[in-house]
Amino acid sequence: KNEVEQSPQNLTAQEGEFITINCSYSVGISALHWLQQHPGGGIVSLFMLSSGKKKHGRLIATINIQEKHSSLHITASHPRDSAVYICAVMYSGGGADGLTFGKGTHLIIQP
Amino acid sequence: NAGVTQTPKFQVLKTGQSMTLQCAQDMNHNSMYWYRQDPGMGLRLIYYSASEGTTDKGEVPNGYNVSRLNKREFSLRLESAAPSQTSVYFCASSGTGVGGYTFGSGTRLTVV
Repeated sequence: KNEVEQSPQNLTAQEGEFITINCSYSVGISALHWLQQHPGGGIVSLFMLSSGKKKHGRLIATINIQEKHSSLHITASHPRDSAVYICAVMYSGGGADGLTFGKGTHLIIQP
Repeated sequence: NAGVTQTPKFQVLKTGQSMTLQCAQDMNHNSMYWYRQDPGMGLRLIYYSASEGTTDKGEVPNGYNVSRLNKREFSLRLESAAPSQTSVYFCASSGTGVGGYTFGSGTRLTVV
């Protein structure tokens, strides 16, 4: 079974800290998604990556295709960033048959 | 607003009852999906539809049926609900090829 591994599973940090969440996967992919889910809430797509790096506000996502690894960074973290961050991959050749998800990283930013 | 509309948001069923979860998207996406989310596990694919008129099983299809009514709508039916189907269900859609994903707001289903 193709796996998507995220680390850490849980992360508590102080407001203002630089946050890094990691994601690794086992086989070739077409694209990787970073998603955000607030408690009791829906799922919002933050980034879709197939190579390189993307930035949106305080969020930065990078991917290294050769190493099968991606990171999500949050600069100047804020309590409103508290959420579950989920990595999901679309495997090569399997574009229409859904994503494979990691179990998520539960992030808490304390004031 | 463009997006994925999913109903109902909450539902409590008794074991053996049936129900249909509705999903509609207005982004002209070809592909639609039903996932379930359980504590401690990643989202898992129940069924998907790569295009209007086609449906395929995902990782956890047992106990469910789906209908791709047209390009916009993709419904999920539980014929005889079981407590193991207590979960949060998400509908999603995506465009052709390596497209972005849009998720519905979720349905929290409890089977007692």
